[in-house]
Amino acid sequence: AQTVTQSQPEMSVQEAETVTLSCTYDTSESDYYLFWYKQPPSRQMILVIRQEAYKQQNATENRFSVNFQKAAKSFSLKISDSQLGDAAMYFCACYNNDMRFGAGTRLTVKP
Amino acid sequence: DTAVSQTPKYLVTQMGNDKSIKCEQNLGHDTMYWYKQDSKKFLKIMFSYNNKELIINETVPNRFSPKSPDKAHLNLHINSLELGDSAVYFCASSEWRGGRTEAFFGQGTRLTVV
Repeated sequence: AQTVTQSQPEMSVQEAETVTLSCTYDTSESDYYLFWYKQPPSRQMILVIRQEAYKQQNATENRFSVNFQKAAKSFSLKISDSQLGDAAMYFCACYNNDMRFGAGTRLTVKP
Repeated sequence: DTAVSQTPKYLVTQMGNDKSIKCEQNLGHDTMYWYKQDSKKFLKIMFSYNNKELIINETVPNRFSPKSPDKAHLNLHINSLELGDSAVYFCASSEWRGGRTEAFFGQGTRLTVV
């Protein structure tokens, strides 16, 4: 099964600044998907962004974008113009037949 | 319309009791999961079902028994509850469609064993 590693347990960013959350994964499959989920204190799992492994172009969703490096098996999330509402746990996930998660990164946004 | 719904949202029970958590999805997805999120927020896959058939059982104690009466439902029954079972349990469903995959989560059930 695939494994996902998030090496930053906590990150902090000033409001309106940019922050990058790191994620690496390992899978023997060539066809898979990568996700970033946000979990605010409400505990709801909210999909932030999705990347198909067969696509070379990096996915973007408004202020959120990814840097997908397939050869390096790296999938980082960049949050631009950070807002107070971005404060949450962020989970990286890899999907191939089932979804596996990293340990998460707690993001704090300072006003 | 809630895509993936779990009940109950909160569950407080005594050690040794048996309890169930229900999950339903109205997305027509073939695959459903149970995840356990511990106090350190780590999300661990417990079970995966595809079209009512068990696909994954990740070294979960036998006290945990999933049941899928149809592909829209995946319930989790826990026997002889222990203190270490206290966690948030998430149900999720996913589908691989037209070259894209989507996955949705329920709101989670916070189980507290006292």
